[in-house]
Amino acid sequence: QLQLQESGPGLVKPSETLSLTCDVSGGSINSGDYFWGWIRQPPGKGLQWIAEFRQSGSTYYNPSLESRVTTSVDTSRNLFSLRLSSVTAADTAIYYCARRARVGGSGGHLFDLWGQGSPVTVSS
Amino acid sequence: EIVMTQSPATLSVSPGERATLSCRASQSVTNNWLAWYRQKPGQAPRLLIYGASTRATGIPARFSGSGSGTEFTLTISSLQSEDFAVYFCLQYDKWPLTFGGGTKVEIK
Repeated sequence: QLQLQESGPGLVKPSETLSLTCDVSGGSINSGDYFWGWIRQPPGKGLQWIAEFRQSGSTYYNPSLESRVTTSVDTSRNLFSLRLSSVTAADTAIYYCARRARVGGSGGHLFDLWGQGSPVTVSS
Repeated sequence: EIVMTQSPATLSVSPGERATLSCRASQSVTNNWLAWYRQKPGQAPRLLIYGASTRATGIPARFSGSGSGTEFTLTISSLQSEDFAVYFCLQYDKWPLTFGGGTKVEIK
């Protein structure tokens, strides 16, 4: 059974770079027609999609964050990563990694697997 | 960007009663690529409905989704204790993917 697990620093200082990793276990990140990506949720607020990639090489970013976001994948270790630069208090959130897959032959890809979330606080 | 607006922000319902949640899109969601998720405190969201009206695997029949274009509805026919949570809609039609702000269903 495929599982996702985020790991991150917990606390990041303003203006620094946040780095998060998502370990994929129980299956290969290379197999299947999936998108792998990141979503965040500020305390008490809604969800914001950050970025995602496909093994075909395509990567997609939220325009509101694109200038500060970098994603990467390490297929040998079956994990992918997120870097968010120049963080401020507004970047304080729970960061989720998630998979988008076609569900039930619907034709569209939607989030069907999520990690448990990695809380990140931006504070000096 | 497609802006998703959910209403109401909070819904107070008694156990066993019906709950109706709304999600409105700022432009048409093609192919009805609209999903609903339930999120309990401290947990990741769980998929309930996709394609606007299809229940995900393992989701009980008390959950139903309807709507098309820009107006979508999630109905919970008889609220159980585990249903008191926050519900989000998601459009997965166009990038950037966007979620609604959420509806909190609380015990009346």
